[in-house]
Amino acid sequence: DAGVIQSPRHEVTEMGQEVTLRCKPISGHDYLFWYRQTMMRGLELLIYFNNNVPIDDSGMPEDRFSAKMPNASFSTLKIQPSEPRDSAVYFCASSGLAGASSYNEQFFGPGTRLTVL
Amino acid sequence: GQQLNQSPQSMFIQEGEDVSMNCTSSSIFNTWLWYKQEPGEGPVLLIALYKAGELTSNGRLTAQFGITRKDSFLNISASIPSDVGIYFCAGRFPSNDMRFGAGTRLTVKP
Repeated sequence: DAGVIQSPRHEVTEMGQEVTLRCKPISGHDYLFWYRQTMMRGLELLIYFNNNVPIDDSGMPEDRFSAKMPNASFSTLKIQPSEPRDSAVYFCASSGLAGASSYNEQFFGPGTRLTVL
Repeated sequence: GQQLNQSPQSMFIQEGEDVSMNCTSSSIFNTWLWYKQEPGEGPVLLIALYKAGELTSNGRLTAQFGITRKDSFLNISASIPSDVGIYFCAGRFPSNDMRFGAGTRLTVKP
């Protein structure tokens, strides 16, 4: 089974540039989560969607961050303009296969390592 | 805000030893989960706990959901070198929102 797919795996950009991170959740999952991981702050939930609708975006650090989920199989996290302090690993996770015992268990993608110079 | 306190931060043990780590919180969760993360990868779910007092095993791993719903522990018995990694606890609210501990970095010496 294909797990959560994220792209790119690595991104290096210069301050001020726009960055777009992509995620394809596990087919049939109706929850999608975006996390950021840094040494200083650990894993932080940025935003999550249920049935493509944003439920809680209180973790989004600033207006420079935005996330969309145009359909059940695709989501983007955009940073515009990017800053060096945005450097981190960004994870996407999904959950919610209806009827499965693992309904509430989140499965993580491999992450995108973002470096903003 | 909600915080999970995970301890210890790191452990250096000899192969074959048992390991114990725990998480406490000021918040009540309806699910506790334990994940393992290896370098360059995302966290992988090890054990999920759904009921207060629940004790669940997965091979050499055993985890318990505290009676107060504010704590959980994870034990690893007879550690092996491939147990190396960072272990995270996570608490999930009914809304499906989750909070993660800071992680326990485990090093196993052969």
